[in-house]
Amino acid sequence: GAVVSQHPSWVICKSGTSVKIECRSLDFQATTMFWYRQFPKQSLMLMATSNEGSKATYEQGVEKDKFLINHASLTLSTLTVTSAHPEDSSFYICSARTGASQETQYFGPGTRLLVL
Amino acid sequence: EDQVTQSPEALRLQEGESSSLNCSYTVSGLRGLFWYRQDPGKGPEFLFTLYSAGEEKEKERLKATLTKKESFLHITAPKPEDSATYLCAVITSSNTGKLIFGQGTTLQVKP
Repeated sequence: GAVVSQHPSWVICKSGTSVKIECRSLDFQATTMFWYRQFPKQSLMLMATSNEGSKATYEQGVEKDKFLINHASLTLSTLTVTSAHPEDSSFYICSARTGASQETQYFGPGTRLLVL
Repeated sequence: EDQVTQSPEALRLQEGESSSLNCSYTVSGLRGLFWYRQDPGKGPEFLFTLYSAGEEKEKERLKATLTKKESFLHITAPKPEDSATYLCAVITSSNTGKLIFGQGTTLQVKP
Protein backbone atom coordinates (compact mmCIF):
# COMPACT_ATOMS: atom_id res chain seq x y z
CA GLY A 1 0.00 0.00 0.00
CA ALA A 2 0.80 3.75 -0.10
CA VAL A 3 2.23 3.83 -3.61
CA VAL A 4 2.98 7.11 -5.31
CA SER A 5 3.84 7.38 -9.00
CA GLN A 6 5.31 10.17 -11.07
CA HIS A 7 5.27 10.81 -14.79
CA PRO A 8 7.45 11.27 -16.69
CA SER A 9 10.52 9.77 -15.05
CA TRP A 10 12.82 11.64 -17.43
CA VAL A 11 12.26 14.79 -19.47
CA ILE A 12 14.60 16.79 -21.67
CA CYS A 13 13.38 20.11 -23.01
CA LYS A 14 14.63 23.26 -24.67
CA SER A 15 15.11 26.47 -22.75
CA GLY A 16 11.92 28.55 -22.71
CA THR A 17 9.46 25.68 -22.90
CA SER A 18 7.12 24.51 -20.14
CA VAL A 19 7.14 21.05 -18.61
CA LYS A 20 4.39 19.33 -16.64
CA ILE A 21 5.11 16.62 -14.08
CA GLU A 22 2.32 14.46 -12.67
CA CYS A 23 2.19 12.92 -9.22
CA ARG A 24 -0.44 10.28 -8.46
CA SER A 25 -1.36 8.38 -5.32
CA LEU A 26 -2.29 4.96 -6.67
CA ASP A 27 -3.94 3.18 -3.75
CA PHE A 28 -5.04 5.95 -1.41
CA GLN A 29 -6.52 9.41 -1.43
CA ALA A 30 -4.07 12.18 -0.64
CA THR A 31 -5.49 15.41 0.71
CA THR A 32 -1.96 16.80 0.94
CA MET A 33 0.91 16.38 -1.48
CA PHE A 34 4.36 17.89 -1.35
CA TRP A 35 6.86 18.83 -4.05
CA TYR A 36 10.59 18.63 -3.46
CA ARG A 37 13.68 19.41 -5.44
CA GLN A 38 16.97 17.59 -4.99
CA PHE A 39 20.39 18.58 -6.30
CA PRO A 40 23.22 16.04 -6.66
CA LYS A 41 24.59 14.81 -3.34
CA GLN A 42 22.21 17.05 -1.42
CA SER A 43 19.14 16.37 0.65
CA LEU A 44 15.58 17.15 -0.38
CA MET A 45 14.41 20.75 -0.44
CA LEU A 46 10.69 21.37 0.01
CA MET A 47 9.27 23.60 -2.70
CA ALA A 48 5.58 23.67 -1.89
CA THR A 49 2.70 22.02 -0.09
CA SER A 50 -0.36 21.20 -2.14
CA ASN A 51 -3.83 20.69 -0.69
CA GLU A 52 -6.64 19.29 -2.77
CA GLY A 53 -8.98 22.00 -3.98
CA SER A 54 -6.97 24.93 -2.69
CA LYS A 55 -3.95 26.97 -3.66
CA ALA A 56 -0.50 25.58 -2.97
CA THR A 57 1.67 27.03 -0.23
CA TYR A 58 5.15 27.82 -1.48
CA GLU A 59 8.35 27.87 0.56
CA GLN A 60 10.33 31.04 0.84
CA GLY A 61 12.41 31.68 -2.25
CA VAL A 62 10.35 29.48 -4.57
CA GLU A 63 8.82 31.39 -7.47
CA LYS A 64 5.09 30.78 -7.62
CA ASP A 65 4.80 31.89 -11.23
CA LYS A 66 7.59 29.60 -12.38
CA PHE A 67 6.51 26.49 -10.52
CA LEU A 68 2.76 26.14 -10.94
CA ILE A 69 1.11 23.52 -8.77
CA ASN A 70 -2.40 22.17 -9.24
CA HIS A 71 -3.99 19.62 -6.91
CA ALA A 72 -7.24 19.04 -8.77
CA SER A 73 -8.23 15.71 -7.24
CA LEU A 74 -7.47 13.52 -4.22
CA THR A 75 -5.12 11.37 -6.29
CA LEU A 76 -3.40 13.83 -8.62
CA SER A 77 -1.13 16.82 -8.24
CA THR A 78 0.80 18.44 -11.07
CA LEU A 79 3.89 20.63 -11.12
CA THR A 80 4.43 22.78 -14.20
CA VAL A 81 7.83 24.36 -14.68
CA THR A 82 7.09 27.38 -16.87
CA SER A 83 9.64 28.89 -19.25
CA ALA A 84 12.26 26.44 -18.08
CA HIS A 85 15.93 27.43 -18.05
CA PRO A 86 19.07 25.33 -17.54
CA GLU A 87 19.20 26.30 -13.85
CA ASP A 88 15.83 24.55 -13.39
CA SER A 89 17.47 21.25 -14.28
CA SER A 90 17.12 19.04 -11.22
CA PHE A 91 15.48 15.97 -9.71
CA TYR A 92 11.88 16.70 -8.73
CA ILE A 93 10.16 14.42 -6.24
CA CYS A 94 6.61 14.46 -4.93
CA SER A 95 5.22 12.91 -1.80
CA ALA A 96 1.79 12.33 -0.31
CA ARG A 97 0.22 11.69 3.06
CA THR A 98 -2.41 9.02 3.40
CA GLY A 99 -4.66 11.14 5.59
CA ALA A 100 -4.95 14.37 7.52
CA SER A 101 -4.03 12.67 10.78
CA GLN A 102 -1.18 10.68 9.26
CA GLU A 103 2.25 12.31 9.36
CA THR A 104 4.16 9.82 7.24
CA GLN A 105 4.90 10.95 3.70
CA TYR A 106 5.29 8.43 0.89
CA PHE A 107 7.47 9.50 -2.00
CA GLY A 108 7.24 9.04 -5.73
CA PRO A 109 10.17 7.76 -7.80
CA GLY A 110 11.15 11.25 -8.95
CA THR A 111 11.40 13.05 -12.29
CA ARG A 112 14.74 14.04 -13.75
CA LEU A 113 14.46 17.33 -15.69
CA LEU A 114 17.20 18.47 -18.03
CA VAL A 115 16.80 21.85 -19.70
CA LEU A 116 19.09 22.46 -22.66
CA GLU B 1 15.75 27.06 14.62
CA ASP B 2 14.79 23.43 14.05
CA GLN B 3 17.76 21.37 12.92
CA VAL B 4 18.53 17.77 12.01
CA THR B 5 22.10 16.48 11.78
CA GLN B 6 23.12 13.05 10.55
CA SER B 7 26.43 11.33 11.11
CA PRO B 8 28.58 10.03 9.66
CA GLU B 9 28.19 11.49 6.17
CA ALA B 10 29.52 8.29 4.67
CA LEU B 11 30.05 4.81 6.06
CA ARG B 12 31.79 1.82 4.51
CA LEU B 13 31.17 -1.60 6.01
CA GLN B 14 32.14 -5.11 5.17
CA GLU B 15 29.27 -7.49 4.64
CA GLY B 16 28.18 -8.76 8.04
CA GLU B 17 29.77 -5.86 9.95
CA SER B 18 27.05 -4.31 12.10
CA SER B 19 26.97 -0.57 12.77
CA SER B 20 24.72 2.38 13.60
CA LEU B 21 23.77 5.62 11.92
CA ASN B 22 23.00 8.66 14.02
CA CYS B 23 20.38 11.38 13.64
CA SER B 24 20.45 14.14 16.23
CA TYR B 25 17.79 16.80 16.31
CA THR B 26 17.18 20.16 17.92
CA VAL B 27 13.53 21.05 17.50
CA SER B 28 10.72 22.85 19.26
CA GLY B 29 8.37 19.98 19.98
CA LEU B 30 8.91 16.73 18.09
CA ARG B 31 5.79 15.28 16.47
CA GLY B 32 7.52 12.48 14.63
CA LEU B 33 10.87 11.24 13.35
CA PHE B 34 11.15 9.39 10.06
CA TRP B 35 13.77 7.21 8.43
CA TYR B 36 13.92 6.79 4.68
CA ARG B 37 16.21 4.90 2.33
CA GLN B 38 17.13 6.48 -0.99
CA ASP B 39 18.81 4.67 -3.84
CA PRO B 40 20.61 6.70 -6.55
CA GLY B 41 18.18 8.27 -9.00
CA LYS B 42 15.09 7.23 -7.03
CA GLY B 43 12.71 8.76 -4.55
CA PRO B 44 13.03 8.02 -0.82
CA GLU B 45 11.53 4.76 0.41
CA PHE B 46 9.78 4.89 3.77
CA LEU B 47 11.32 2.77 6.53
CA PHE B 48 10.12 3.86 9.99
CA THR B 49 8.17 6.44 11.93
CA LEU B 50 8.98 7.03 15.61
CA TYR B 51 6.90 9.26 17.83
CA SER B 52 8.19 9.13 21.39
CA ALA B 53 11.40 8.55 23.32
CA GLY B 54 12.01 4.90 24.02
CA GLU B 55 10.17 3.73 20.93
CA GLU B 56 11.84 1.09 18.76
CA LYS B 57 10.90 -0.39 15.40
CA GLU B 58 12.44 -3.19 13.38
CA LYS B 59 12.37 -4.34 9.80
CA GLU B 60 14.61 -7.16 8.64
CA ARG B 61 18.21 -6.09 9.41
CA LEU B 62 17.22 -2.57 10.45
CA LYS B 63 16.21 -1.29 13.86
CA ALA B 64 15.39 2.32 14.65
CA THR B 65 15.43 3.77 18.15
CA LEU B 66 14.52 7.18 19.52
CA THR B 67 15.63 9.26 22.51
CA LYS B 68 14.78 12.84 23.42
CA LYS B 69 17.75 14.14 21.45
CA GLU B 70 18.59 11.60 18.78
CA SER B 71 17.68 8.52 16.82
CA PHE B 72 19.79 5.60 15.78
CA LEU B 73 19.38 3.32 12.81
CA HIS B 74 21.09 0.05 13.68
CA ILE B 75 22.07 -2.22 10.82
CA THR B 76 22.75 -5.81 11.80
CA ALA B 77 24.85 -8.03 9.56
CA PRO B 78 24.41 -5.79 6.52
CA LYS B 79 24.40 -7.09 2.97
CA PRO B 80 25.55 -5.29 -0.20
CA GLU B 81 21.90 -4.61 -1.08
CA ASP B 82 21.66 -2.43 2.02
CA SER B 83 23.95 0.08 0.29
CA ALA B 84 22.02 3.35 -0.08
CA THR B 85 21.65 6.81 1.40
CA TYR B 86 19.66 6.82 4.62
CA LEU B 87 17.71 9.98 5.35
CA CYS B 88 16.37 11.11 8.69
CA ALA B 89 13.59 13.70 8.89
CA VAL B 90 11.41 15.24 11.59
CA ILE B 91 8.06 16.95 11.84
CA THR B 92 7.70 19.46 14.65
CA SER B 93 4.78 21.09 16.37
CA SER B 94 5.62 24.41 14.71
CA ASN B 95 6.10 23.48 11.06
CA THR B 96 2.63 22.29 9.97
CA GLY B 97 3.52 18.82 8.77
CA LYS B 98 6.61 19.67 6.75
CA LEU B 99 9.53 17.27 6.87
CA ILE B 100 12.87 18.71 7.94
CA PHE B 101 15.58 16.50 6.51
CA GLY B 102 19.11 15.80 7.61
CA GLN B 103 21.84 15.61 4.99
CA GLY B 104 21.82 11.83 4.93
CA THR B 105 24.33 9.04 5.52
CA THR B 106 25.60 7.20 2.46
CA LEU B 107 26.21 3.56 3.34
CA GLN B 108 28.33 1.25 1.23
CA VAL B 109 28.47 -2.42 2.12
CA LYS B 110 31.22 -4.38 0.44
CA PRO B 111 30.94 -8.12 -0.13
